[in-house]
Amino acid sequence: DAKTTQPTSMDCAEGRAANLPCNHSTISGNEYVYWYRQIHSQGPQYIIHGLKNNETNEMASLIITEDRKSSTLILPHATLRDTAVYYCIVRASGGSYIPTFGRGTSLIVHP
Amino acid sequence: GAVVSQHPSWVICKSGTSVKIECRSLDFQATTMFWYRQFPKQSLMLMATSNEGSKATYEQGVEKDKFLINHASLTLSTLTVTSAHPEDSSFYICSATRRGSATSYEQYFGPGTRLTVT
Repeated sequence: DAKTTQPTSMDCAEGRAANLPCNHSTISGNEYVYWYRQIHSQGPQYIIHGLKNNETNEMASLIITEDRKSSTLILPHATLRDTAVYYCIVRASGGSYIPTFGRGTSLIVHP
Repeated sequence: GAVVSQHPSWVICKSGTSVKIECRSLDFQATTMFWYRQFPKQSLMLMATSNEGSKATYEQGVEKDKFLINHASLTLSTLTVTSAHPEDSSFYICSATRRGSATSYEQYFGPGTRLTVT
Protein backbone atom coordinates (compact mmCIF):
# COMPACT_ATOMS: atom_id res chain seq x y z
CA ASP A 1 0.00 0.00 0.00
CA ALA A 2 1.13 3.54 -0.78
CA LYS A 3 2.54 5.62 2.02
CA THR A 4 0.81 8.82 3.10
CA THR A 5 2.08 12.08 4.57
CA GLN A 6 -0.05 14.31 6.75
CA PRO A 7 0.67 17.37 8.87
CA THR A 8 1.16 16.50 12.50
CA SER A 9 -1.39 18.96 13.80
CA MET A 10 -3.88 21.59 12.73
CA ASP A 11 -6.43 23.77 14.38
CA CYS A 12 -9.51 25.61 13.27
CA ALA A 13 -12.26 27.70 14.73
CA GLU A 14 -15.62 26.23 15.50
CA GLY A 15 -18.08 26.76 12.64
CA ARG A 16 -15.36 27.18 10.04
CA ALA A 17 -14.32 24.62 7.48
CA ALA A 18 -11.45 22.31 8.40
CA ASN A 19 -9.33 21.25 5.44
CA LEU A 20 -7.02 18.36 6.16
CA PRO A 21 -4.44 17.54 3.47
CA CYS A 22 -2.84 14.22 2.66
CA ASN A 23 -0.07 13.42 0.23
CA HIS A 24 0.04 10.00 -1.39
CA SER A 25 2.33 10.48 -4.35
CA THR A 26 3.03 6.74 -4.79
CA ILE A 27 -0.62 5.73 -5.02
CA SER A 28 -1.34 3.12 -7.64
CA GLY A 29 -4.31 2.85 -9.95
CA ASN A 30 -6.36 0.40 -7.91
CA GLU A 31 -5.82 2.05 -4.53
CA TYR A 32 -8.50 4.01 -2.75
CA VAL A 33 -8.06 6.92 -0.36
CA TYR A 34 -9.71 6.28 3.00
CA TRP A 35 -10.14 8.65 5.91
CA TYR A 36 -10.73 7.62 9.50
CA ARG A 37 -10.73 9.63 12.68
CA GLN A 38 -10.10 8.69 16.28
CA ILE A 39 -11.59 10.69 19.07
CA HIS A 40 -9.66 10.40 22.32
CA SER A 41 -10.00 6.96 23.96
CA GLN A 42 -12.28 5.60 21.26
CA GLY A 43 -11.79 3.28 18.32
CA PRO A 44 -11.25 4.73 14.84
CA GLN A 45 -14.35 5.82 12.97
CA TYR A 46 -14.74 5.59 9.21
CA ILE A 47 -15.37 8.95 7.55
CA ILE A 48 -15.23 8.63 3.78
CA HIS A 49 -13.34 7.06 0.93
CA GLY A 50 -12.82 7.62 -2.79
CA LEU A 51 -10.95 6.41 -5.84
CA LYS A 52 -10.67 9.40 -8.15
CA ASN A 53 -13.92 11.33 -8.05
CA ASN A 54 -14.72 13.78 -5.30
CA GLU A 55 -17.01 12.31 -2.69
CA THR A 56 -19.39 13.78 -0.15
CA ASN A 57 -21.39 12.26 2.67
CA GLU A 58 -23.08 13.51 5.80
CA MET A 59 -19.79 13.81 7.63
CA ALA A 60 -17.36 15.28 5.15
CA SER A 61 -16.20 15.87 1.60
CA LEU A 62 -13.18 14.30 -0.03
CA ILE A 63 -11.37 16.12 -2.79
CA ILE A 64 -8.85 14.07 -4.76
CA THR A 65 -6.52 15.80 -7.20
CA GLU A 66 -6.65 14.81 -10.82
CA ASP A 67 -3.28 13.04 -10.63
CA ARG A 68 -4.46 11.35 -7.40
CA LYS A 69 -1.24 12.19 -5.64
CA SER A 70 -2.94 14.14 -2.90
CA SER A 71 -6.32 14.65 -1.33
CA THR A 72 -8.10 16.92 1.12
CA LEU A 73 -10.70 16.01 3.69
CA ILE A 74 -13.11 18.84 4.31
CA LEU A 75 -15.26 19.17 7.39
CA PRO A 76 -17.53 22.00 6.21
CA HIS A 77 -18.60 23.33 9.60
CA ALA A 78 -16.27 22.03 12.28
CA THR A 79 -17.60 21.57 15.79
CA LEU A 80 -15.79 20.95 19.06
CA ARG A 81 -16.74 17.29 18.75
CA ASP A 82 -14.66 17.05 15.58
CA THR A 83 -11.50 17.38 17.66
CA ALA A 84 -9.71 14.12 16.92
CA VAL A 85 -6.77 12.51 15.13
CA TYR A 86 -7.53 12.09 11.43
CA TYR A 87 -5.88 9.29 9.50
CA CYS A 88 -5.50 9.19 5.73
CA ILE A 89 -4.92 5.67 4.44
CA VAL A 90 -4.34 4.48 0.90
CA ARG A 91 -5.35 0.92 0.25
CA ALA A 92 -6.44 -1.51 -2.38
CA SER A 93 -10.02 -2.68 -2.19
CA GLY A 94 -9.25 -6.38 -2.09
CA GLY A 95 -9.75 -8.61 0.91
CA SER A 96 -6.07 -9.18 1.53
CA TYR A 97 -5.60 -5.61 2.69
CA ILE A 98 -4.05 -5.22 6.14
CA PRO A 99 -4.94 -1.84 7.63
CA THR A 100 -2.02 0.09 9.06
CA PHE A 101 -2.01 3.59 10.48
CA GLY A 102 0.50 6.41 10.33
CA ARG A 103 0.66 9.29 12.81
CA GLY A 104 -2.32 11.12 11.37
CA THR A 105 -3.24 14.78 11.89
CA SER A 106 -4.35 15.96 15.29
CA LEU A 107 -7.13 18.45 14.64
CA ILE A 108 -8.12 20.77 17.44
CA VAL A 109 -11.31 22.72 16.97
CA HIS A 110 -11.42 25.71 19.28
CA PRO A 111 -14.35 27.92 20.28
CA GLY B 1 -23.92 0.63 9.67
CA ALA B 2 -21.86 -2.31 10.76
CA VAL B 3 -21.09 -2.55 14.47
CA VAL B 4 -18.13 -4.07 16.25
CA SER B 5 -18.19 -4.40 20.01
CA GLN B 6 -15.49 -5.08 22.54
CA HIS B 7 -15.78 -6.38 26.07
CA PRO B 8 -14.76 -5.23 28.56
CA SER B 9 -14.39 -1.55 27.77
CA TRP B 10 -11.84 -1.24 30.55
CA VAL B 11 -10.13 -3.63 32.92
CA ILE B 12 -7.67 -3.38 35.78
CA CYS B 13 -5.72 -6.47 36.72
CA LYS B 14 -2.82 -7.43 38.92
CA SER B 15 0.58 -8.20 37.50
CA GLY B 16 0.94 -11.88 36.62
CA THR B 17 -2.72 -12.52 35.91
CA SER B 18 -4.32 -13.09 32.50
CA VAL B 19 -6.97 -10.97 30.86
CA LYS B 20 -9.32 -11.89 28.02
CA ILE B 21 -10.74 -9.28 25.66
CA GLU B 22 -13.61 -10.15 23.32
CA CYS B 23 -14.29 -8.63 19.92
CA ARG B 24 -17.63 -9.26 18.23
CA SER B 25 -19.06 -8.23 14.90
CA LEU B 26 -22.69 -7.71 15.81
CA ASP B 27 -24.49 -7.60 12.50
CA PHE B 28 -22.15 -9.14 9.98
CA GLN B 29 -19.78 -12.03 9.52
CA ALA B 30 -16.20 -10.89 9.57
CA THR B 31 -13.85 -12.45 7.08
CA THR B 32 -10.86 -11.24 9.04
CA MET B 33 -10.29 -9.56 12.38
CA PHE B 34 -7.32 -7.50 13.45
CA TRP B 35 -5.94 -6.61 16.86
CA TYR B 36 -4.16 -3.32 17.54
CA ARG B 37 -2.43 -1.82 20.52
CA GLN B 38 -2.16 1.90 21.14
CA PHE B 39 0.07 3.59 23.70
CA PRO B 40 -0.61 7.17 24.83
CA LYS B 41 -0.05 9.78 22.13
CA GLN B 42 0.92 7.12 19.60
CA SER B 43 -0.77 5.64 16.58
CA LEU B 44 -2.40 2.24 16.39
CA MET B 45 0.12 -0.58 16.06
CA LEU B 46 -1.06 -3.76 14.39
CA MET B 47 -0.45 -6.78 16.60
CA ALA B 48 -1.98 -9.65 14.67
CA THR B 49 -4.34 -10.72 11.92
CA SER B 50 -6.91 -13.36 12.71
CA ASN B 51 -8.98 -15.51 10.38
CA GLU B 52 -11.76 -17.79 11.57
CA GLY B 53 -10.61 -21.34 12.12
CA SER B 54 -6.92 -20.72 11.55
CA LYS B 55 -3.95 -19.57 13.56
CA ALA B 56 -3.38 -15.86 13.89
CA THR B 57 -0.55 -14.15 12.06
CA TYR B 58 1.48 -11.99 14.42
CA GLU B 59 3.45 -8.89 13.54
CA GLN B 60 7.16 -8.84 14.16
CA GLY B 61 7.97 -8.23 17.80
CA VAL B 62 4.61 -9.40 19.13
CA GLU B 63 4.92 -12.50 21.33
CA LYS B 64 2.36 -15.07 20.24
CA ASP B 65 2.63 -16.98 23.50
CA LYS B 66 1.87 -13.86 25.48
CA PHE B 67 -0.96 -12.51 23.33
CA LEU B 68 -3.17 -15.50 22.58
CA ILE B 69 -5.72 -14.98 19.85
CA ASN B 70 -8.66 -17.28 19.29
CA HIS B 71 -11.01 -16.74 16.37
CA ALA B 72 -13.73 -19.25 17.15
CA SER B 73 -16.41 -18.02 14.77
CA LEU B 74 -17.06 -15.49 12.04
CA THR B 75 -18.37 -13.06 14.65
CA LEU B 76 -16.02 -13.53 17.60
CA SER B 77 -12.31 -13.15 18.21
CA THR B 78 -10.65 -13.07 21.61
CA LEU B 79 -7.31 -11.70 22.72
CA THR B 80 -5.87 -13.06 25.95
CA VAL B 81 -2.98 -11.20 27.54
CA THR B 82 -1.23 -13.86 29.58
CA SER B 83 0.87 -13.11 32.66
CA ALA B 84 0.21 -9.42 32.24
CA HIS B 85 2.80 -6.88 33.35
CA PRO B 86 2.54 -3.11 33.79
CA GLU B 87 4.20 -2.55 30.40
CA ASP B 88 1.22 -4.34 28.80
CA SER B 89 -1.02 -1.52 29.97
CA SER B 90 -2.43 -0.05 26.80
CA PHE B 91 -5.52 0.59 24.70
CA TYR B 92 -6.41 -2.53 22.71
CA ILE B 93 -8.58 -2.14 19.62
CA CYS B 94 -10.00 -4.75 17.32
CA SER B 95 -11.33 -4.34 13.83
CA ALA B 96 -13.35 -6.59 11.59
CA THR B 97 -13.47 -6.81 7.83
CA ARG B 98 -16.78 -7.11 6.08
CA ARG B 99 -17.23 -7.84 2.45
CA GLY B 100 -19.07 -4.85 1.01
CA SER B 101 -19.30 -6.00 -2.58
CA ALA B 102 -17.62 -8.36 -4.99
CA THR B 103 -14.49 -6.23 -4.95
CA SER B 104 -14.59 -4.14 -1.81
CA TYR B 105 -13.95 -5.01 1.80
CA GLU B 106 -14.77 -2.53 4.51
CA GLN B 107 -13.11 -2.14 7.87
CA TYR B 108 -15.01 -1.53 11.11
CA PHE B 109 -13.40 -0.82 14.45
CA GLY B 110 -14.40 -1.65 17.97
CA PRO B 111 -14.54 1.00 20.70
CA GLY B 112 -11.36 -0.26 22.34
CA THR B 113 -10.46 -1.82 25.70
CA ARG B 114 -8.34 0.06 28.21
CA LEU B 115 -6.10 -2.38 30.09
CA THR B 116 -4.29 -1.25 33.22
CA VAL B 117 -1.95 -3.70 34.91
CA THR B 118 -0.98 -2.83 38.47
